[in-house]
Amino acid sequence: AQSVTQLDSQVPVFEEAPVELRCNYSSSVSVYLFWYVQYPNQGLQLLLKYLSGSTLVKGINGFEAEFNKSQTSFHLRKPSVHISDTAEYFCAVSDLNDYKLSFGAGTTVTVRA
Amino acid sequence: EAQVTQNPRYLITVTGKKLTVTCSQNMNHEYMSWYRQDPGLGLRQIYYSMNVEVTDKGDVPEGYKVSRKEKRNFPLILESPSPNQTSLYFCASSTRTGGEGDTQYFGPGTRLTVL
Repeated sequence: AQSVTQLDSQVPVFEEAPVELRCNYSSSVSVYLFWYVQYPNQGLQLLLKYLSGSTLVKGINGFEAEFNKSQTSFHLRKPSVHISDTAEYFCAVSDLNDYKLSFGAGTTVTVRA
Repeated sequence: EAQVTQNPRYLITVTGKKLTVTCSQNMNHEYMSWYRQDPGLGLRQIYYSMNVEVTDKGDVPEGYKVSRKEKRNFPLILESPSPNQTSLYFCASSTRTGGEGDTQYFGPGTRLTVL
């Protein structure tokens, strides 16, 4: 069974500043890793995913994440945020033979002008 | 347009009154799932279905039922809702391609309040 810990529940950030959202997971097997975004009053949308290969994954809207197997982490970054990035972000993990996603508790990002 | 739809989007009901939340996808996906989202807990899986007539429990199945009679539809049934089922519910679907980390596509959510 997997578990996901998002280390920050709230991240306030100024517009055009960088942001990093931290995600750690625990699993006894190899995993796939995902970041989803939920804009206010909307469903979840995939930002990016790590399946295999390069540990640096680029996603939509200028986001990227780095898989670190030794630290079991999958932190999400964006070098310069916009007001429109205000949303809740979820890290999720599934193992290689399972379609079940285990989600973290979420990180709310609030971008201020 | 590829999408997952849910109805209703908002529902206020009373304890014990049976309700059904519908979910439909137009992507011919085999896998469908229901989640509930609660503050500080993220999303937790209620039930999932690998294909027609194949369903199984997720992490929090108590108080819920599902059925999968057609590939596109996966309704969530609350036979006797209770206030602790007040939550935001999401339906999701994905393909099955042998464990390739398929993306799950989410519906817009159903906000349920049980009084």
